[in-house]
Amino acid sequence: AQSVTQLDSQVPVFEEAPVELRCNYSSSVSVYLFWYVQYPNQGLQLLLKYLSGSTLVKGINGFEAEFNKSQTSFHLRKPSVHISDTAEYFCAVSDNNDMRFGAGTRLTVKP
Amino acid sequence: DAGVTQSPTHLIKTRGQQVTLRCSPKSGHDTVSWYQQALGQGPQFIFQYYEEEERQRGNFPDRFSGHQFPNYSSELNVNALLLGDSALYLCASTPRDRRMDEQYFGPGTRLTVT
Repeated sequence: AQSVTQLDSQVPVFEEAPVELRCNYSSSVSVYLFWYVQYPNQGLQLLLKYLSGSTLVKGINGFEAEFNKSQTSFHLRKPSVHISDTAEYFCAVSDNNDMRFGAGTRLTVKP
Repeated sequence: DAGVTQSPTHLIKTRGQQVTLRCSPKSGHDTVSWYQQALGQGPQFIFQYYEEEERQRGNFPDRFSGHQFPNYSSELNVNALLLGDSALYLCASTPRDRRMDEQYFGPGTRLTVT
């Protein structure tokens, strides 16, 4: 079975500062990795995904993530955040038969 | 092109009652998955429907059942509601020939059980 751990439940940062949201996963098989964002009272929006190939994945809104197989991590980064990035972020892992989400990281960007 | 739509937006039910939630997938998508998101938690996979059959199922009791129609829309049914069933129920659709790597989520249905 696969599982996901998001290491920080809340991350407060100032506007224009860099941010990293941490995600570790466990699985006995090859997996796909995802980051989703959820704004208040909305569904999930895909930020980026790793299926295969280059370990550095670029997504929407200036976000990127790096797949590290040896450390079983898939951390999300953005070099300069905006107020509008305030939201809940979910890391997820899938073996294409099931998808497991982490508990989420609440990113709060302060002016 | 409308995205994934869900109805109703909100509803309130009493313990022991039954509820049906509905989902219309994005145009061109033939696979529908359902997730339960309790307050403050990540979504949990309930099941996935493809070709009107349940293809995969998560760790949910059989009080949770579903259906997919020929037009690919889907329903989630929950019987004998418990207080713990209060959650945001998300539907996600996937394009033909894809499974979990290309999911589009709807806005969800907020279910409150009193």
